Amino acid sequence: GAVVSQHPSWVICKSGTSVKIECRSLDFQATTMFWYRQFPKQSLMLMATSNEGSKATYEQGVEKDKFLINHASLTLSTLTVTSAHPEDSSFYICSARPVAGSYNEQFFGPGTRLTVL
Amino acid sequence: GIQVEQSPPDLILQEGANSTLRCNFSDSVNNLQWFHQNPWGQLINLFYIPSGTKQNGRLSATTVATERYSLLYISSSQTTDSGVYFCAVGQAGTALIFGKGTTLSVSS
Repeated sequence: GAVVSQHPSWVICKSGTSVKIECRSLDFQATTMFWYRQFPKQSLMLMATSNEGSKATYEQGVEKDKFLINHASLTLSTLTVTSAHPEDSSFYICSARPVAGSYNEQFFGPGTRLTVL
Repeated sequence: GIQVEQSPPDLILQEGANSTLRCNFSDSVNNLQWFHQNPWGQLINLFYIPSGTKQNGRLSATTVATERYSLLYISSSQTTDSGVYFCAVGQAGTALIFGKGTTLSVSS
């Protein structure tokens, strides 16, 4: 149980285009999902907290107009990278916290590798 | 915010050796998780251990919450144990804060 999926696994796009990444909790409901970004040889850094039915909360330095987050249901959050540029190339990982069960444990998706040419 | 420090940053072992990875954190936490990041980037959830001791096969972990540290033990290491190990902590309902990781290399 407690499986989180991400789609796509990897994506290559041209500079200036937008890319949507989906994060789904497959066997549990999650009112809160988190989006992280990881650059090569570095740790994971929190980008934003996504709450079902409300606006996302962004970390300092993360452009909310560039990284659009929508948490439309208890099992799906999406991250859209708008007008992507090469510096947005990174590994994007989401996590979800189940509504039921252990209140604090989080489960992570397999990640999406974005390359912007 | 909470600071998370992992040590050592790098660890090189021969197959069969044992190792201990350490995670120190600067404030009380409700969540502590250990992960192994595989070569494809996926985070493998090893332990959810905000306090106490757990064991899973050759791996075990101990968190002493009152002293703000956690240890991950790997016994009889195998080449497949290679990768980056992350400790991440959080408070009730919040996101996890990750340490910088320990890169483990196990050679045969």
